[in-house]
Amino acid sequence: AQSVTQLDSQVPVFEEAPVELRCNYSSSVSVYLFWYVQYPNQGLQLLLKYLSGSTLVESINGFEAEFNKSQTSFHLRKPSVHISDTAEYFCAVGIQGAQKLVFGQGTRLTINP
Amino acid sequence: NAGVTQTPKFQVLKTGQSMTLQCAQDMNHEYMSWYRQDPGMGLRLIHYSVGAGITDQGEVPNGYNVSRSTTEDFPLRLLSAAPSQTSVYFCASSPLQTYQQGANYGYTFGSGTRLTVV
Repeated sequence: AQSVTQLDSQVPVFEEAPVELRCNYSSSVSVYLFWYVQYPNQGLQLLLKYLSGSTLVESINGFEAEFNKSQTSFHLRKPSVHISDTAEYFCAVGIQGAQKLVFGQGTRLTINP
Repeated sequence: NAGVTQTPKFQVLKTGQSMTLQCAQDMNHEYMSWYRQDPGMGLRLIHYSVGAGITDQGEVPNGYNVSRSTTEDFPLRLLSAAPSQTSVYFCASSPLQTYQQGANYGYTFGSGTRLTVV
């Protein structure tokens, strides 16, 4: 069975600073990987996903994540964060042919002015 | 296009009471699922369904029942509420994934139901 570990439960950063949210997964078969974002008092929204092809994937609001098969990681990065990026971020893994997604514990990103 | 609609948004129950959390989607998605979100534990899968008449258990199914009589609706029933079921509940749906590489595979989530059992 697959599993996901988000290594940081909380990440505080200053506005305009870079940030990395770490995600490691475990699976014996090929995986799909996702990052979801949850803004306060809202549901989860898909931020970006890796299905196949280029290992670097980007979102429309400046986040990117790189699939690293050898390190079984899918870390999320942004070179310069804004107050509006304050949210909880969830990494999730799925396997080809299976419908279920397994989610990590979440990382709360707090942006300080 | 409403997406995934969950009702109610908030609910307070007394221990032992029963209730149904509603989830409806208008995207003709075959796959629907229920998660609960608890601090520090992420999202844990309760039950899921791959189509009308087909349901299965997830990671934490005890104390919950589901049914899927239509493609659109996937209600979650708490038969006898317990304080341990205090949580935020999310319904999510997606198209049924195929074995084709690159198939679109992303959940659409509802806005959640915040349940408190006292």
